[in-house]
Amino acid sequence: AQTVTQSQPEMSVQEAETVTLSCTYDTSESDYYLFWYKQPPSRQMILVIRQEAYKQQNATENRFSVNFQKAAKSFSLKISDSQLGDAAMYFCAFTDSNYQLIWGAGTKLIIKP
Amino acid sequence: DTGVSQDPRHKITKRGQNVTFRCDPISEHNRLYWYRQTLGQGPEFLTYFQNEAQLEKSRLLSDRFSAERPKGSFSTLEIQRTEQGDSAMYLCASTPPWGTEQFFGPGTRLTVL
Repeated sequence: AQTVTQSQPEMSVQEAETVTLSCTYDTSESDYYLFWYKQPPSRQMILVIRQEAYKQQNATENRFSVNFQKAAKSFSLKISDSQLGDAAMYFCAFTDSNYQLIWGAGTKLIIKP
Repeated sequence: DTGVSQDPRHKITKRGQNVTFRCDPISEHNRLYWYRQTLGQGPEFLTYFQNEAQLEKSRLLSDRFSAERPKGSFSTLEIQRTEQGDSAMYLCASTPPWGTEQFFGPGTRLTVL
């Protein structure tokens, strides 16, 4: 069975500092996609960053970057220069050729001013 | 087009009643997904449409749940004989033919008393 595991239920970081959220997954597929989604309190889910499994280069989007380790089935998210607006639940998700997203349980990110 | 919309945003019902939710995807998005999310958890896949065809349905979904997508545009999710365990946020997402990113609506929060 395909699974996604986020081992950190909650993380906190000082504003302007860097934080890394961890995610591991399990699949027998060779071609798949990995995502980090952000869900602010009472607001809708939005995509933060996406990684195609066939790409060796780690994806980056402004202050957000990933460390994708395919052999280890690890997909961590690094947020640099943390801002108050980054406070949210962060979900790691995986999809294969069926396009169905398999989700982790989420990590609550708290930003300390 | 401003994004995926869902109606209603909130629904309170008594146990045993039927409820129906609507999702309007982004135009030209051919794939549509329904998820259920309980507090503190990641979303759980319910069902998936490609155009008007329902291609996959979660084995966790009881026969009280039914979804339709007539004409391949908007979709409805009906829950018959609601139970307190059905209380959750119901999320809808859509994806264009050329991509893998799922765009989410704001969700419908269901409370069953």
